[in-house]
Amino acid sequence: DQQVKQNSPSLSVQEGRISILNCDYTNSMFDYFLWYKKYPAEGPTFLISISSIKDKNEDGRFTVFLNKSAKHLSLHIVPSQPGDSAVYFCATPGGSQGNLIFGKGTKLSVKP
Amino acid sequence: KAGVTQTPRYLIKTRGQQVTLSCSPISGHRSVSWYQQTPGQGLQFLFEYFSETQRNKGNFPGRFSGRQFSNSRSEMNVSTLELGDSALYLCASSLAGLAFNSPLHFGNGTRLTVT
Repeated sequence: DQQVKQNSPSLSVQEGRISILNCDYTNSMFDYFLWYKKYPAEGPTFLISISSIKDKNEDGRFTVFLNKSAKHLSLHIVPSQPGDSAVYFCATPGGSQGNLIFGKGTKLSVKP
Repeated sequence: KAGVTQTPRYLIKTRGQQVTLSCSPISGHRSVSWYQQTPGQGLQFLFEYFSETQRNKGNFPGRFSGRQFSNSRSEMNVSTLELGDSALYLCASSLAGLAFNSPLHFGNGTRLTVT
């Protein structure tokens, strides 16, 4: 059973608008979450993280929101730029060996 | 600051051979993890090293092994290669490891093809 779920496989947004990427998790014991961006033929690039003691973390154009009661987190990108077009993964160190487990990703396309 | 460097970027080997992949972490990072990425299985955890000691291990056969040196550089070895070992192998470094809420930073991987 997938423990980290990204239910939208793709998202298309106009340049300059907000992109909102969503992620749900199943285990309320998870307490640290990360977002990664991935371009083809490259490794994932770390974007931003949040621990469960906070409900918001901001870094430049990227903001992550955590709703623990709903077991839901979201990544907001404002304003979106064409260079943001990539696959975005949410992840958490919820594996049984203390490893990162990833969602299946959401492909973001930002159109000029 | 230089990122995580993996060498080589591409490798072609035949079944039965062995292979060694190399990873240089970000300067100051002491934790190095290895992941295997395949289209069907996604990212699967191989192992994590911290200060030259294996700290965590995934569910891979003993043909997959690794080590970490005193300068935090790490190598991964796969012996008796099988066709199913064809994958992108990603190395990730971290200041202290996930257990301490320290994010992983990935390299661009080594693409291994076994024929």
